[in-house]
Amino acid sequence: NAGVTQTPKFRILKIGQSMTLQCTQDMNHNYMYWYRQDPGMGLKLIYYSVGAGITDKGEVPNGYNVSRSTTEDFPLRLELAAPSQTSVYFCASSEKETQYFGPGTRLLVL
Amino acid sequence: AQSVSQHNHHVILSEAASLELGCNYSYGGTVNLFWYVQYPGQHLQLLLKYFSGDPLVKGIKGFEAEFIKSKFSFNLRKPSVQWSDTAEYFCAVNAARNTDKLIFGTGTRLQVFP
Repeated sequence: NAGVTQTPKFRILKIGQSMTLQCTQDMNHNYMYWYRQDPGMGLKLIYYSVGAGITDKGEVPNGYNVSRSTTEDFPLRLELAAPSQTSVYFCASSEKETQYFGPGTRLLVL
Repeated sequence: AQSVSQHNHHVILSEAASLELGCNYSYGGTVNLFWYVQYPGQHLQLLLKYFSGDPLVKGIKGFEAEFIKSKFSFNLRKPSVQWSDTAEYFCAVNAARNTDKLIFGTGTRLQVFP
């Protein structure tokens, strides 16, 4: 059972570079989410999607973009990386009330 | 707006000690409540959840949590911790009518020493 998978596991970016964090789920869940986790801050919702073609902002969307062209994939795009985006990023999916998380992507922006 | 408070930021225990981690939420309507655990270097895993019914919920690895509606609380307990319980624990809540958004507490780091 793959569940929710994320790539890459770790990445170092220079300020101003762009990158896409990949997230794929094989559970046919309609709902997908992107969170960032910072020490002592818990998880903050960046963007979420309730189905293919539908996305919405979470609590901290600035500096990020998402798309949802298929049920399985929910990539997160950073256009101009900033040091404030250094964090661990988690993708999750759900069908009803319970969310299932991927292994995370650790991003360092220097 | 919903919010979740975890008052214990860092807890240090010896093996076999009892554990209780506090979680309080702020929301006027019906909620679903969750505890997630994150072992070092790993992703979040669901420990237990409460939707309705018996307010005492049993989860994996001997954990349980009690929902006290009058106190807006959902505290996590374990009678006897083990070294392998060393992890970060997150309480989370979503509104029963709108489960799109899960609101997390800031987490409690538990260290268990042999």
